[in-house]
Amino acid sequence: NAGVTQTPKFQVLKTGQSMTLQCAQDMNHNSMYWYRQDPGMGLRLIYYSASEGTTDKGEVPNGYNVSRLNKREFSLRLESAAPSQTSVYFCATTWGAGWNEQFFGPGTRLTVL
Amino acid sequence: GENVEQHPSTLSVQEGDSAVIKCTYSDSASNYFPWYKQELGKGPQLIIDIRSNVGEKKDQRIAVTLNKTAKHFSLHITETQPEDSAVYFCAAISGSARQLTFGSGTQLTVLP
Repeated sequence: NAGVTQTPKFQVLKTGQSMTLQCAQDMNHNSMYWYRQDPGMGLRLIYYSASEGTTDKGEVPNGYNVSRLNKREFSLRLESAAPSQTSVYFCATTWGAGWNEQFFGPGTRLTVL
Repeated sequence: GENVEQHPSTLSVQEGDSAVIKCTYSDSASNYFPWYKQELGKGPQLIIDIRSNVGEKKDQRIAVTLNKTAKHFSLHITETQPEDSAVYFCAAISGSARQLTFGSGTQLTVLP
């Protein structure tokens, strides 16, 4: 079992470009999350999906969109990248609601020039 | 919403000594408090968690204590080893929310 996979591992964008970060899990979990991690600020929730077909905003959703394609996949899209979106992005999953262990992917390091 | 504060931001200890990391939270309805360890270049991984109906939980060299009255919880690592060196995050979740709020992290360095 691969657990939680993320692609790509690294990406460099120019301001205004768009891209989609992909996340897939083979753990049969219902809930999936997208976080960003910035130095000294811990992990901040961007969007989450409690089940297939539902998505909700987290703490820092501006500038992002998400799609829960099916139970396994949850993508994060930057329509017009900005330097402030330079960060490390993590996808996570858990079974049930949020009160259980979250399993994290290896992360995507994004730089916006 | 929930606010979680974590201290210290950096901590250095000698191998074999104990390490303590403290967190406070703001939402009195919070009822689940996990601790995650993040090694360099990897995603965070759960090391221990505690629910609001328990005051203390131990797992070998790791323990977590919870004081709901004071709204704070702490991670204790005894007999530290070099492989304990990592960034540690506390988090909290309230009963009405489906999302974790993380602290800002503690860089723990265990000196040989």
